[in-house]
Amino acid sequence: DAKTTQPPSMDCAEGRAANLPCNHSTISGNEYVYWYRQIHSQGPQYIIHGLKNNETNEMASLIITEDRKSSTLILPHATLRDTAVYYCIVVPTASKLTFGTGTRLQVTL
Amino acid sequence: DVKVTQSSRYLVKRTGEKVFLECVQDMDHENMFWYRQDPGLGLRLIYFSYDVKMKEKGDIPEGYSVSREKKERFSLILESASTNQTSMYLCASSQDRGHVDTQYFGPGTRLTVL
Repeated sequence: DAKTTQPPSMDCAEGRAANLPCNHSTISGNEYVYWYRQIHSQGPQYIIHGLKNNETNEMASLIITEDRKSSTLILPHATLRDTAVYYCIVVPTASKLTFGTGTRLQVTL
Repeated sequence: DVKVTQSSRYLVKRTGEKVFLECVQDMDHENMFWYRQDPGLGLRLIYFSYDVKMKEKGDIPEGYSVSREKKERFSLILESASTNQTSMYLCASSQDRGHVDTQYFGPGTRLTVL
């Protein structure tokens, strides 16, 4: 499975867009990019996933570069409830998710 | 809503004890998973199961076993607990839909082995 690199922490002001980067330069053609988040004292929560195209759902947008070596998760209007650890995972099948240490996003007033 | 429940939020056991962690899901999902989470190491997959009585090793199966006698229930067993198994244990389940396999997690069990 491809290794991912994420910044350990980021801050974002409430109401602003939070852009969380992920580097996966060794990604293979059959590997998907998944994003999960974990709010304190809760289990992880699925956010979004993609292969090549950009994706959007009610929670976030996922932008994958053309060479697929990096991606960005965008929370368009961050709220305090979005404070969490965000995990970027790259795998050929979701049944083998391995979570790294993620990015701790702190949303502030 | 999918609900994944775990038998305990907090558990304290002694070295050498046999420990059972239970997980139940109510959405008729085929797949179930056990992870452990440790500071600085993220979540690591211990075992998973894609059907009743079926199991597969994850990344760190040593010291653990699992049981899936019914579709909705997946048990993690520590045959002889050791202090290095002190951790947060998370259970998850998912519908088998190929790569589109959203995992739903339980609240976790924080196990302390003394």
